[in-house]
Amino acid sequence: QKEVEQNSGPLSVPEGAIASLNCTYSDRGSQSFFWYRQYSGKSPELIMSIYSNGDKEDGRFTAQLNKASQYVSLLIRDSQPSDSATYLCAVPFGGFKTIFGAGTRLFVKA
Amino acid sequence: DGGITQSPKYLFRKEGQNVTLSCEQNLNHDAMYWYRQDPGQGLRLIYYSQIVNDFQKGDIAEGYSVSREKKESFPLTVTSAQKNPTAFYLCASSPLGGGQETQYFGPGTRLLVL
Repeated sequence: QKEVEQNSGPLSVPEGAIASLNCTYSDRGSQSFFWYRQYSGKSPELIMSIYSNGDKEDGRFTAQLNKASQYVSLLIRDSQPSDSATYLCAVPFGGFKTIFGAGTRLFVKA
Repeated sequence: DGGITQSPKYLFRKEGQNVTLSCEQNLNHDAMYWYRQDPGQGLRLIYYSQIVNDFQKGDIAEGYSVSREKKESFPLTVTSAQKNPTAFYLCASSPLGGGQETQYFGPGTRLLVL
């Protein structure tokens, strides 16, 4: 059974702090990893993708991948109230099937 | 503007009724997907299609049907056999459908049972 696990939260951080969101996956063969942001009542939108071990930075967002530990994380620096959303980790498991985690709810307090 | 459209935004189904959710994309993407999202849960794959006139069942296909007669369109029918259809339905597409690509989502349809 292919699985993607996330802490459901809610994760609450003060404005300006770093929010750290974590995701573990079960398939050692997975090659690509995606983070989506989903506002309440809206559809998911892509935040970051990462394919290689290490860090990938895009503005205030940093994705970190450790394939040996089967672990991918998303860091949000200088968190803003507008970052309050659910963050979904998504891992393709070969072919056309992508498994989405249940998501972590993030609240950024002003 | 390129994108994915879904209609209607809200849909109400009566007992025993079949309803169809529309999904259209003008991104020229080959692959299209239907997901179901229940509160507090991740997205679950219902059906996907790689090319016109071909589609495959996902994890929760029972009670649903699809067609792919045109590249741009991938409608989903929720049949009366689906006993618990209340959910948020999301259509997505990706360029080549190799499974390793970003998926782009439509705005979703919320289905409610009367």
